[in-house]
Amino acid sequence: SAVISQKPSRDICQRGTSLTIQCQVDSQVTMMFWYRQQPGQSLTLIATANQGSEATYESGFVIDKFPISRPNLTFSTLTVSNMSPEDSSIYLCSVEVVAGGGDTQYFGPGTRLTVL
Amino acid sequence: GDSVTQMEGPVTLSEEAFLTINCTYTATGYPSLFWYVQYPGEGLQLLLKATKADDKGSNKGFEATYRKETTSFHLEKGSVQVSDSAVYFCALSTLTGNQFYFGTGTSLTVIP
Repeated sequence: SAVISQKPSRDICQRGTSLTIQCQVDSQVTMMFWYRQQPGQSLTLIATANQGSEATYESGFVIDKFPISRPNLTFSTLTVSNMSPEDSSIYLCSVEVVAGGGDTQYFGPGTRLTVL
Repeated sequence: GDSVTQMEGPVTLSEEAFLTINCTYTATGYPSLFWYVQYPGEGLQLLLKATKADDKGSNKGFEATYRKETTSFHLEKGSVQVSDSAVYFCALSTLTGNQFYFGTGTSLTVIP
């Protein structure tokens, strides 16, 4: 398994500003993922972040809006840029752990973002 | 494409009642199947998983059996507790690519 922490746990931000969310893992992992969970909904994958390469974004998400850094095998950041109230969500990072019997994703506790 | 269809909620049960949350999937190949739980105000936690047909995942009194013939992975618990109140997500992971597909989540409330 993996233990994942996120900072901040929650924030209230003004429209037009940016917020950077940090994700720290207690072990080295290749694959890290960023998800968004809008109120009352399931998870939507924003992007996959591999160390040493550009993040891969899912349809509907772009680097200018959600820049991602992955400087090493235990850390990643997601920035939500030029925020609007529609960006109010829980943002979750996860990591993939490969073990006998298949891959499993483990999640951080999430960052609850409210944009006014 | 690959997808997960999950029983819609919300579900409200009395303490000690039997729980079933249905989950069916569509996938090419042989996916791994998961149940995640999200307690109020928290992130997702892996509850159980199964990686091949007829495997049974179990944890904290919850069980789910990977049924290839019915493409299902229903979550069951014989006697729910108030502390089981949470949102439950069914998910699958394919062997090609590293995609995880999540269901829409089922909210469970257990009342004393």
